Amino acid sequence: GNSVTQMEGPVTLSEEAFLTINCTYTATGYPSLFWYVQYPGEGLQLLLKATKADDKGSNKGFEATYRKETTSFHLEKGSVQVSDSAVYFCALQGGSEKLVFGKGTKLTVNP
Amino acid sequence: DGGITQSPKYLFRKEGQNVTLSCEQNLNHDAMYWYRQDPGQGLRLIYYSQIVNDFQKGDIAEGYSVSREKKESFPLTVTSAQKNPTAFYLCASSIGQDSSYNSPLHFGNGTRLTVT
Repeated sequence: GNSVTQMEGPVTLSEEAFLTINCTYTATGYPSLFWYVQYPGEGLQLLLKATKADDKGSNKGFEATYRKETTSFHLEKGSVQVSDSAVYFCALQGGSEKLVFGKGTKLTVNP
Repeated sequence: DGGITQSPKYLFRKEGQNVTLSCEQNLNHDAMYWYRQDPGQGLRLIYYSQIVNDFQKGDIAEGYSVSREKKESFPLTVTSAQKNPTAFYLCASSIGQDSSYNSPLHFGNGTRLTVT
């Protein structure tokens, strides 16, 4: 079945550092890929998505490119802020299958 | 503003008691979902409903029950049969079954259940 593997955390960075959170997937066909973010004490929010190969999703300075050749959807941001501290989830949905989440990566950004 | 409301935010129960978690949405979404979140395990799907009066088991349905009598409401009951009920519970909704392209999941802010 479909599955998502994302890098284990926690990740701790200083403000203005470059962020990469790796995500790879296993799926048949052409799934859609998502990054969700969960701020402390809240539910998840959609951060960005990509629905076909080579698509780049972007939002709030975050970017991720759908790479079918490497089955990856890594999340990047050029300069993180303290307010980016949260848990980030990579997710996948293929065809009529249910949405599948990775285990989440906790990011802490220090001033 | 449209959204999903989960109540209460914190819930405490004694072992052996059933407890019902509320989830209400005013987004006019057809599909609703319940997830359980445990540290280090991500989100696991408990139950989902794609239309009123119909619902399906997710990956970890044992010890839980749901109902979908109204489009706006999808309450989750944690029964005494659930062996490890202490967790963070998240309710979500989407426009319809095909949520992969134009309809992401919208989440509530969760209910933290503690059973002692």
